[in-house]
This record gives sequence, structure tokens and C-alpha cells, in this order.
Amino acid sequence: DTGVSQNPRHKITKRGQNVTFRCDPISEHNRLYWYRQTLGQGPEFLTYFQNEAQLEKSRLLSDRFSAERPKGSFSTLEIQRTEQGDSAMYLCASRSGLMNTEAFFGQGTRLTVV
Amino acid sequence: AQSVAQPEDQVNVAEGNPLTVKCTYSVSGNPYLFWYVQYPNRGLQFLLKYITGDNLVKGSYGFEAEFNKSQTSFHLKKPSALVSDSALYFCAVRAGASGNTPLVFGKGTRLSVIA
Repeated sequence: DTGVSQNPRHKITKRGQNVTFRCDPISEHNRLYWYRQTLGQGPEFLTYFQNEAQLEKSRLLSDRFSAERPKGSFSTLEIQRTEQGDSAMYLCASRSGLMNTEAFFGQGTRLTVV
Repeated sequence: AQSVAQPEDQVNVAEGNPLTVKCTYSVSGNPYLFWYVQYPNRGLQFLLKYITGDNLVKGSYGFEAEFNKSQTSFHLKKPSALVSDSALYFCAVRAGASGNTPLVFGKGTRLSVIA
């Protein structure tokens, strides 16, 4: 068990560019979550997968955001036409399918849009 | 809708003194409650959880939390604070009836332990 891994750790991009982040969950976890955290705030839910199925999307997830989890393993989060307001820490978490289990978080990808 | 309130943005405590970080929640049905800690530029680390059973739950690094259903609270406590406990603490809730709902977090409380 190597924990939840996120890449890259940091990304600086120019406004209008597209960016993609990757999350590798703990291998036996079938549930995967993406959160966004801005300075001084708690993590805000973006979207959630059970295996390869995307089951829920927050209203925070505009049409410029898309997430995938092909084959129910790793997941990617893409932001198209980035805006300065997208600057945040993007956190990925995974947990097993048992109802009483906690989620394990990766170290996050910090996005800065300049 | 689920929600979590952490009424204190900052808690200061002297090393060796007991600490309390407050959390209240709102959820339909039975709550699953969690505390996480975040160090600078890091992800969240799980501390402890309440699912069912004993209202006092013990977790990592000597932390414990008390579930109070009538007050809808889940305060985090530690009998003797360490300087290394200084970090950002988040309370989170999930509705227990469904295993599919994501965690909802509070805004966090910054704990500062002074030597």
C-alpha cells in the first residue's frame, strides 16, 4: 500500500491553457473522489467515481472540467481554458466500498494560473 | 443537505495544556463523522472517526473526540498539546444511510501550540 499518489505536485500555467492532473488511488479502493481547496477554506467536493462510473458531480464542476477513471483504476481531472479563479489545490481521495471506512487523501496538485 | 461548522478559525494553546477544537454538524439520519489534519502544502491525514457505538473515540497521535447527538457536536480533544500538533484541522461529515455520499468538510481550524 503506497497510498494515494497525485501528479504533478505543482503546476503553473498561463490563462487559457489546458491542464490535466492524475490520481492513482490505493489499489483495492473502488471509490475515488476529487476535491478542490482554496486558501482558508476546507476541501470542496467536485466529483466522485465508483469503479469507472462517475456517479456524482458538484455544481462547482463547470463544463470546462472533465474527469475520467478508465478501467476503474487511476483517474484524470482536466481543466480546459484555465482561468485565474481555477488556482487552487486539487485533492484526490480514495476509499474502499465498505460504508464505515475513511477516505485517504493524496498530497494534492497545486495549480497556479497566471 | 449536509454541513459542518467549525466556529473558531484559530485556537491557541500552551504546550502541555489540554486542547479542544470544536465542530458541529447537520445531516439527515445517522452521521459518520471524521477529523483530518493538514500540514503546510500537504494533503489531509485521517485522525479518527465516529461511526457508531461508544461516543468517545480515540485516534492517532493521542487525539480523541466526543460525539454528542443532542448537541450535534463532535469536538476534537487532546489532554496535553505538543508544539508538533500545530496544523490545520478539519471536521467532516457523511450521511451514514448511504455509502455513496461524499464527505462534507468544515472550513478548518488552525491550531497553534506555543512552547
